[in-house]
Amino acid sequence: QKEVEQNSGPLSVPEGAIASLNCTYSDRGSQSFFWYRQYSGKSPELIMSIYSNGDKEDGRFTAQLNKASQYVSLLIRDSQPSDSATYLCAAGHQFYFGTGTSLTVIP
Amino acid sequence: SQTIHQWPATLVQPVGSPLSLECTVEGTSNPNLYWYRQAAGRGLQLLFYSVGIGQISSEVPQNLSASRPQDRQFILSSKKLLLSDSGFYLCAWRASGSLDEQYFGPGTRLTVT
Repeated sequence: QKEVEQNSGPLSVPEGAIASLNCTYSDRGSQSFFWYRQYSGKSPELIMSIYSNGDKEDGRFTAQLNKASQYVSLLIRDSQPSDSATYLCAAGHQFYFGTGTSLTVIP
Repeated sequence: SQTIHQWPATLVQPVGSPLSLECTVEGTSNPNLYWYRQAAGRGLQLLFYSVGIGQISSEVPQNLSASRPQDRQFILSSKKLLLSDSGFYLCAWRASGSLDEQYFGPGTRLTVT
């Protein structure tokens, strides 16, 4: 049974557009949620953490959490070619990861 | 500040050979430690996690084992590697007892031939 599900993509957006990445989780008891970015051949790096329902903004990134729907999303505004990477969603104390969504930003 | 180290960075080993990967964390005490494996083009698979010295929990039955001989040292081992053990091995740490984020080491790229 998968704990965290993500659309594997690939997702392509033009430069300057908004990229929307989605994630659902199965454990209703999860209290913490995270988005990581992973460039090819590199280790994941943290982008955002979110713990409460609603939106959390950090620069061009906005994380959205809806615990009733067990849904977490990441919006990237003004997408740049340097945002091209795989984005991983993680949930819960045990840190189960989704399989990641590959994003390509087209110049 | 906290730093996490992994070595070696890359490794090529024949099938049936032993394996030892090491991870150390600096700048924190009693961290939770994790080993993940990422096969080519795949997501992260949690292999082991540890909440303290000598305390290891296994998530997936396999020919790998883990040990935590010191507070900030985590070792991943195998007696006999399989072809399917190839992948990118990542160590991560998290503050003990918190809901906070995990931080990853640079990883070890293992190729079993």
